[in-house]
Amino acid sequence: RKEVEQDPGPFNVPEGATVAFNCTYSNSASQSFFWYRQDCRKEPKLLMSVYSSGNEDGRFTAQLNRASQYISLLIRDSKLSDSATYLCVVNHDYKLSFGAGTTVTVRA
Amino acid sequence: GAGVSQSPSNKVTEKGKDVELRCDPISGHTALYWYRQRLGQGLEFLIYFQGNSAPDKSGLPSDRFSAERTGESVSTLTIQRTQQEDSAVYLCASSLTSGANTDTQYFGPGTRLTVL
Repeated sequence: RKEVEQDPGPFNVPEGATVAFNCTYSNSASQSFFWYRQDCRKEPKLLMSVYSSGNEDGRFTAQLNRASQYISLLIRDSKLSDSATYLCVVNHDYKLSFGAGTTVTVRA
Repeated sequence: GAGVSQSPSNKVTEKGKDVELRCDPISGHTALYWYRQRLGQGLEFLIYFQGNSAPDKSGLPSDRFSAERTGESVSTLTIQRTQQEDSAVYLCASSLTSGANTDTQYFGPGTRLTVL
Protein backbone atom coordinates (compact mmCIF):
# COMPACT_ATOMS: atom_id res chain seq x y z
CA ARG A 1 0.00 0.00 0.00
CA LYS A 2 1.36 3.44 -0.89
CA GLU A 3 2.04 5.78 2.01
CA VAL A 4 0.00 8.55 0.44
CA GLU A 5 -2.80 7.92 -2.04
CA GLN A 6 -4.55 10.51 -4.15
CA ASP A 7 -7.23 10.51 -6.79
CA PRO A 8 -5.18 11.37 -9.89
CA GLY A 9 -8.10 13.19 -11.54
CA PRO A 10 -8.04 15.06 -13.78
CA PHE A 11 -10.54 17.51 -12.38
CA ASN A 12 -11.64 19.71 -15.24
CA VAL A 13 -13.58 22.73 -13.99
CA PRO A 14 -14.72 26.09 -15.37
CA GLU A 15 -13.32 29.34 -14.07
CA GLY A 16 -15.07 30.43 -10.92
CA ALA A 17 -16.03 26.92 -9.88
CA THR A 18 -15.17 25.24 -6.60
CA VAL A 19 -13.13 22.08 -6.75
CA ALA A 20 -12.24 19.78 -3.87
CA PHE A 21 -10.19 16.63 -3.57
CA ASN A 22 -8.43 14.70 -0.87
CA CYS A 23 -5.80 12.15 -0.09
CA THR A 24 -5.31 9.39 2.46
CA TYR A 25 -2.15 8.42 4.30
CA SER A 26 -1.20 5.15 5.90
CA ASN A 27 1.19 6.12 8.71
CA SER A 28 -0.84 7.12 11.75
CA ALA A 29 2.33 8.51 13.36
CA SER A 30 2.72 11.13 10.66
CA GLN A 31 3.43 14.47 12.20
CA SER A 32 2.75 17.20 9.70
CA PHE A 33 0.95 17.63 6.45
CA PHE A 34 1.20 19.82 3.40
CA TRP A 35 -0.15 20.52 -0.02
CA TYR A 36 2.44 21.25 -2.68
CA ARG A 37 1.72 22.48 -6.15
CA GLN A 38 3.63 21.25 -9.19
CA ASP A 39 3.30 22.85 -12.58
CA CYS A 40 4.11 20.89 -15.70
CA ARG A 41 7.82 20.09 -15.88
CA LYS A 42 8.55 22.27 -12.86
CA GLU A 43 9.62 21.55 -9.32
CA PRO A 44 7.09 21.21 -6.47
CA LYS A 45 6.39 24.33 -4.44
CA LEU A 46 4.73 24.53 -1.06
CA LEU A 47 1.14 25.68 -1.34
CA MET A 48 0.17 25.45 2.30
CA SER A 49 0.63 23.50 5.49
CA VAL A 50 -2.39 21.66 6.86
CA TYR A 51 -3.34 21.99 10.51
CA SER A 52 -5.67 19.85 12.58
CA SER A 53 -8.12 22.69 13.05
CA GLY A 54 -8.26 23.31 9.32
CA ASN A 55 -6.84 26.41 7.73
CA GLU A 56 -7.47 28.83 4.92
CA ASP A 57 -5.15 30.74 2.66
CA GLY A 58 -7.12 33.01 0.40
CA ARG A 59 -9.19 30.82 -1.90
CA PHE A 60 -7.62 27.63 -0.61
CA THR A 61 -8.93 25.68 2.37
CA ALA A 62 -7.20 22.62 3.80
CA GLN A 63 -8.62 20.15 6.28
CA LEU A 64 -7.02 17.30 8.19
CA ASN A 65 -8.85 14.36 9.71
CA ARG A 66 -6.37 12.41 11.80
CA ALA A 67 -8.88 9.78 12.88
CA SER A 68 -9.64 8.84 9.30
CA GLN A 69 -6.16 9.74 8.06
CA TYR A 70 -7.21 11.96 5.22
CA ILE A 71 -6.42 15.45 4.09
CA SER A 72 -8.49 17.62 1.82
CA LEU A 73 -7.98 20.70 -0.29
CA LEU A 74 -10.72 22.96 -1.56
CA ILE A 75 -10.20 25.69 -4.12
CA ARG A 76 -12.88 28.37 -4.38
CA ASP A 77 -13.43 30.70 -7.32
CA SER A 78 -10.98 28.77 -9.51
CA LYS A 79 -8.62 30.74 -11.71
CA LEU A 80 -6.92 29.62 -14.90
CA SER A 81 -3.64 29.92 -13.01
CA ASP A 82 -4.79 27.24 -10.54
CA SER A 83 -4.27 24.62 -13.25
CA ALA A 84 -1.57 22.36 -11.87
CA THR A 85 -0.94 19.07 -10.13
CA TYR A 86 -1.52 19.20 -6.39
CA LEU A 87 0.65 16.93 -4.29
CA CYS A 88 -0.45 15.68 -0.90
CA VAL A 89 2.60 15.45 1.35
CA VAL A 90 2.99 13.83 4.74
CA ASN A 91 5.94 14.24 7.07
CA HIS A 92 7.22 11.63 9.50
CA ASP A 93 10.38 12.78 11.26
CA TYR A 94 12.36 14.37 8.45
CA LYS A 95 11.00 12.31 5.59
CA LEU A 96 8.34 13.63 3.30
CA SER A 97 6.12 11.12 1.54
CA PHE A 98 4.45 12.41 -1.59
CA GLY A 99 1.26 11.36 -3.26
CA ALA A 100 1.33 10.99 -7.01
CA GLY A 101 -0.74 14.15 -7.35
CA THR A 102 -4.19 15.30 -8.40
CA THR A 103 -4.35 17.15 -11.69
CA VAL A 104 -6.65 20.16 -11.87
CA THR A 105 -7.42 21.93 -15.12
CA VAL A 106 -9.37 25.17 -14.99
CA ARG A 107 -10.92 26.16 -18.33
CA ALA A 108 -12.08 29.55 -19.48
CA GLY B 1 17.95 35.29 -2.41
CA ALA B 2 19.21 32.39 -4.48
CA GLY B 3 17.18 29.23 -4.36
CA VAL B 4 18.28 25.64 -4.75
CA SER B 5 20.15 25.14 -7.98
CA GLN B 6 20.86 21.93 -9.82
CA SER B 7 23.02 21.02 -12.75
CA PRO B 8 22.83 19.92 -15.42
CA SER B 9 19.20 20.69 -16.16
CA ASN B 10 19.08 17.90 -18.71
CA LYS B 11 21.30 14.90 -19.17
CA VAL B 12 21.10 12.30 -21.90
CA THR B 13 23.37 9.32 -21.51
CA GLU B 14 23.85 5.86 -22.86
CA LYS B 15 23.01 2.76 -20.89
CA GLY B 16 25.98 1.63 -18.85
CA LYS B 17 27.57 5.06 -18.45
CA ASP B 18 28.02 6.82 -15.12
CA VAL B 19 26.41 10.18 -14.42
CA GLU B 20 26.91 12.78 -11.75
CA LEU B 21 24.23 15.24 -10.73
CA ARG B 22 24.91 18.33 -8.67
CA CYS B 23 22.85 20.25 -6.13
CA ASP B 24 23.62 23.61 -4.52
CA PRO B 25 21.30 24.13 -1.55
CA ILE B 26 20.14 27.43 -0.17
CA SER B 27 22.91 28.96 1.89
CA GLY B 28 22.50 28.17 5.56
CA HIS B 29 20.21 25.19 5.02
CA THR B 30 21.56 22.27 6.98
CA ALA B 31 19.28 19.59 5.57
CA LEU B 32 19.48 18.36 1.98
CA TYR B 33 17.35 15.76 0.25
CA TRP B 34 17.40 13.94 -3.05
CA TYR B 35 14.22 12.65 -4.67
CA ARG B 36 13.42 10.91 -7.93
CA GLN B 37 10.25 11.50 -9.92
CA ARG B 38 9.41 9.15 -12.73
CA LEU B 39 7.00 10.31 -15.40
CA GLY B 40 3.47 10.58 -14.04
CA GLN B 41 4.47 9.40 -10.59
CA GLY B 42 5.05 10.91 -7.18
CA LEU B 43 8.38 11.77 -5.69
CA GLU B 44 10.44 8.96 -4.24
CA PHE B 45 12.80 9.76 -1.38
CA LEU B 46 16.38 8.73 -2.13
CA ILE B 47 18.75 10.13 0.49
CA TYR B 48 18.93 12.74 3.23
CA PHE B 49 21.84 14.70 4.68
CA GLN B 50 21.71 16.65 7.92
CA GLY B 51 24.81 18.60 8.87
CA ASN B 52 27.69 16.29 9.66
CA SER B 53 25.50 13.36 10.68
CA ALA B 54 25.61 10.10 8.78
CA PRO B 55 23.24 10.34 5.81
CA ASP B 56 20.02 8.37 5.62
CA LYS B 57 20.48 6.28 2.49
CA SER B 58 17.42 4.12 2.99
CA GLY B 59 15.73 5.31 -0.20
CA LEU B 60 18.56 4.54 -2.62
CA PRO B 61 17.19 1.90 -5.01
CA SER B 62 20.43 0.03 -5.60
CA ASP B 63 24.15 0.11 -4.90
CA ARG B 64 24.62 1.84 -8.25
CA PHE B 65 23.37 4.99 -6.55
CA SER B 66 25.51 7.02 -4.17
CA ALA B 67 25.59 10.57 -2.93
CA GLU B 68 27.99 12.81 -1.12
CA ARG B 69 27.78 16.13 0.59
CA THR B 70 30.64 18.21 1.88
CA GLY B 71 29.65 19.90 5.11
CA GLU B 72 26.54 21.97 4.55
CA SER B 73 27.22 22.80 0.93
CA VAL B 74 27.11 21.12 -2.44
CA SER B 75 25.89 17.57 -2.89
CA THR B 76 26.47 15.21 -5.79
CA LEU B 77 24.34 12.21 -6.68
CA THR B 78 26.17 9.59 -8.73
CA ILE B 79 24.52 6.82 -10.70
CA GLN B 80 26.88 4.16 -11.96
CA ARG B 81 26.21 1.89 -14.94
CA THR B 82 22.96 3.66 -15.73
CA GLN B 83 19.93 1.66 -16.80
CA GLN B 84 16.89 2.78 -18.75
CA GLU B 85 14.74 2.56 -15.63
CA ASP B 86 16.92 5.28 -14.10
CA SER B 87 15.35 7.78 -16.49
CA ALA B 88 13.54 10.31 -14.34
CA VAL B 89 13.73 13.81 -12.95
CA TYR B 90 16.07 13.98 -9.98
CA LEU B 91 15.05 16.69 -7.55
CA CYS B 92 17.09 18.14 -4.75
CA ALA B 93 15.57 20.02 -1.83
CA SER B 94 16.97 21.79 1.19
CA SER B 95 15.50 22.99 4.44
CA LEU B 96 16.69 25.15 7.27
CA THR B 97 16.69 22.38 9.84
CA SER B 98 15.20 18.91 10.04
CA GLY B 99 12.89 17.05 12.34
CA ALA B 100 10.85 20.14 13.10
CA ASN B 101 7.38 19.48 11.88
CA THR B 102 6.88 22.52 9.75
CA ASP B 103 10.26 23.04 8.12
CA THR B 104 9.60 23.80 4.49
CA GLN B 105 11.62 21.98 1.88
CA TYR B 106 12.58 24.14 -1.07
CA PHE B 107 13.11 22.30 -4.30
CA GLY B 108 15.56 22.89 -7.10
CA PRO B 109 14.41 22.76 -10.73
CA GLY B 110 15.61 19.20 -11.09
CA THR B 111 17.83 17.31 -13.51
CA ARG B 112 15.98 15.43 -16.22
CA LEU B 113 17.95 12.25 -16.88
CA THR B 114 17.32 10.21 -19.99
CA VAL B 115 19.10 6.90 -20.40
CA LEU B 116 19.05 5.62 -23.96
